[in-house]
Amino acid sequence: GQNIDQPTEMTATEGAIVQINCTYQTSGFNGLFWYQQHAGEAPTFLSYNVLDGLEEKGRFSSFLSRSKGYSYLLLKELQMKDSASYLCAVRTDSWGKLQFGAGTQVVVTP
Amino acid sequence: DTEVTQTPKHLVMGMTNKKSLKCEQHMGHRAMYWYKQKAKKPPELMFVYSYEKLSINESVPSRFSPECPNSSLLNLHLHALQPEDSALYLCASRDRGNDEQFFGPGTRLTVL
Repeated sequence: GQNIDQPTEMTATEGAIVQINCTYQTSGFNGLFWYQQHAGEAPTFLSYNVLDGLEEKGRFSSFLSRSKGYSYLLLKELQMKDSASYLCAVRTDSWGKLQFGAGTQVVVTP
Repeated sequence: DTEVTQTPKHLVMGMTNKKSLKCEQHMGHRAMYWYKQKAKKPPELMFVYSYEKLSINESVPSRFSPECPNSSLLNLHLHALQPEDSALYLCASRDRGNDEQFFGPGTRLTVL
């Protein structure tokens, strides 16, 4: 079956760093995505990894290890507006079929 | 134009009603998707269209009927829904040569 695991909730202070881990076991692998979703809104794309290593994009970085079935999203210099749900998603085929994890709710406190 | 639009934003319907959700994109994307998202849960894939042909149906009940009249438009026809079908319905599109799926804002559906 398909299994994508990420923590349910994380709390961090404004200006701090938070790392959200994601482990996956899926029938296919064609890339791993991170999306941000504010309550009641659509998911917005943050990052994509298909090869092992670190991808950096401003305050956000994402890491992938395919052999370990593991990824993380690193959020630096946290801002209040970063309070949201962060979804790890694995693309399991060439059609772009995405299997989502349950999401990690990040709460940023002053 | 770099967005996916969805109408209506909110929809309330009875179990005997027939309604349709609409999704539109003008980015030239040839893959389009319907997802269902319940509160505090991740999106779940329902259908994938590629080049206007249905390529994936994730065993969705027949009371949901997708339609792709042209490369810019995706509809979801609803008939005889159940209260448990109440959810946020998200449309997304993707360029075949790209990785990112662009999501629309969603339609919040309530079935009474």
